[in-house]
Amino acid sequence: EAQVTQNPRYLITVTGKKLTVTCSQNMNHEYMSWYRQDPGLGLRQIYYSMNVEVTDKGDVPEGYKVSRKEKRNFPLILESPSPNQTSLYFCASSGVGGGTEAFFGQGTRLTVV
Amino acid sequence: KQEVTQIPAALSVPEGENLVLNCSFTDSAIYNLQWFRQDPGKGLTSLLLIQSSQREQTSGRLNASLDKSSGRSTLYIAASQPGDSATYLCAVLDYKLSFGAGTTVTVRA
Repeated sequence: EAQVTQNPRYLITVTGKKLTVTCSQNMNHEYMSWYRQDPGLGLRQIYYSMNVEVTDKGDVPEGYKVSRKEKRNFPLILESPSPNQTSLYFCASSGVGGGTEAFFGQGTRLTVV
Repeated sequence: KQEVTQIPAALSVPEGENLVLNCSFTDSAIYNLQWFRQDPGKGLTSLLLIQSSQREQTSGRLNASLDKSSGRSTLYIAASQPGDSATYLCAVLDYKLSFGAGTTVTVRA
């Protein structure tokens, strides 16, 4: 089954404690991306990757890091989380080019206290 | 930079009425346009994918059209039901996947 898997689904952490949210896809997609969703602000892109070792900033990259060492994985790293990073996070993947559907993970609800 | 706009931001209709949701985008050099549904606090469910070479796609009560030259797509939902209440998002894929802010639909029983 084609899917994007995010872990964990829920996370409560304290300010400054480094964390990683994992994202894995099984469709051999080139494109992967991270979004955060906040009430009234819609989906905002954090980082995206067009292929292995190719990443670029989205609209709200501050405070986040990513890496793309393997095609299937695209982890999101918060080196020093702050309360304003409390949000619902989604990972997505897609092929590049026409006709390929984008798939989303189930989301990670992060609370930073 | 691709800008995706969805109007209206919210819509409330009585059950049985047809829904018309609009999506516009600024750069017509896209690969695909995709419509999603999102229930509160949940993930995104893909509804329809329209390739740039296509004019429309249909699935059950849903029909989506694409006019790439004018940068517009419309999602039609026929004979709306209370279960259609959700937020509907459109996304365009060019060199990255860009989203509109969504239209929140309420179907009143």
